[in-house]
Amino acid sequence: GAGVSQTPSNKVTEKGKYVELRCDPISGHTALYWYRQSLGQGPEFLIYFQGTGAADDSGLPNDRFFAVRPEGSVSTLKIQRTERGDSAVYLCASSVDRNTEAFFGQGTRLTVV
Amino acid sequence: KQEVTQIPAALSVPEGENLVLNCSFTDSAIYNLQWFRQDPGKGLTSLLLIQSSQREQTSGRLNASLDKSSGRSTLYIAASQPGDSATYLCAVNPPNFGNEKLTFGTGTRLTIIP
Repeated sequence: GAGVSQTPSNKVTEKGKYVELRCDPISGHTALYWYRQSLGQGPEFLIYFQGTGAADDSGLPNDRFFAVRPEGSVSTLKIQRTERGDSAVYLCASSVDRNTEAFFGQGTRLTVV
Repeated sequence: KQEVTQIPAALSVPEGENLVLNCSFTDSAIYNLQWFRQDPGKGLTSLLLIQSSQREQTSGRLNASLDKSSGRSTLYIAASQPGDSATYLCAVNPPNFGNEKLTFGTGTRLTIIP
């Protein structure tokens, strides 16, 4: 595609529910990143994929968060037992490799009520 | 732990003026510094990337400088236009790491007054 696409754009869920956020990276980009941006803050790193494998998941806040990229393209960020504190904009980015320009998607705004 | 600060948090200037946005970071051991633009409800757009060995980068009306030893970067915007209104974020990453270790500032929200 022309850019990084994230779906849905907005997601409202009830506390305790499970959610999945999807990221379609730019075709051919082997590196993919998830960041989380809380209101009034800069984005914070969650997880980095190189190909199909999670090369660095040190930013995931706890074991309720999990992400996959089974075929080295689309990635899904999964959040179990959502909490109100999980409310944020979740940003996905991709790049040819980790040292070249990263292209960000428009983000998914998650609201936990 | 690296900390990135952007001051001011918000800035309003009349159209046509030149302006400077500031970014400071606490650990001078960086690999790259990037400036991004974020429009409401949209993702980040990379504007300029400065490698640690470089002092500045230019793209059109934008010029970014880097003084690694003092932990500072500036983004200069010439002849500002209403379309420049957005939040501008700077981010750094440490040596031997790439985009996965970007540390962002909280941004400067810029409003250009027509």
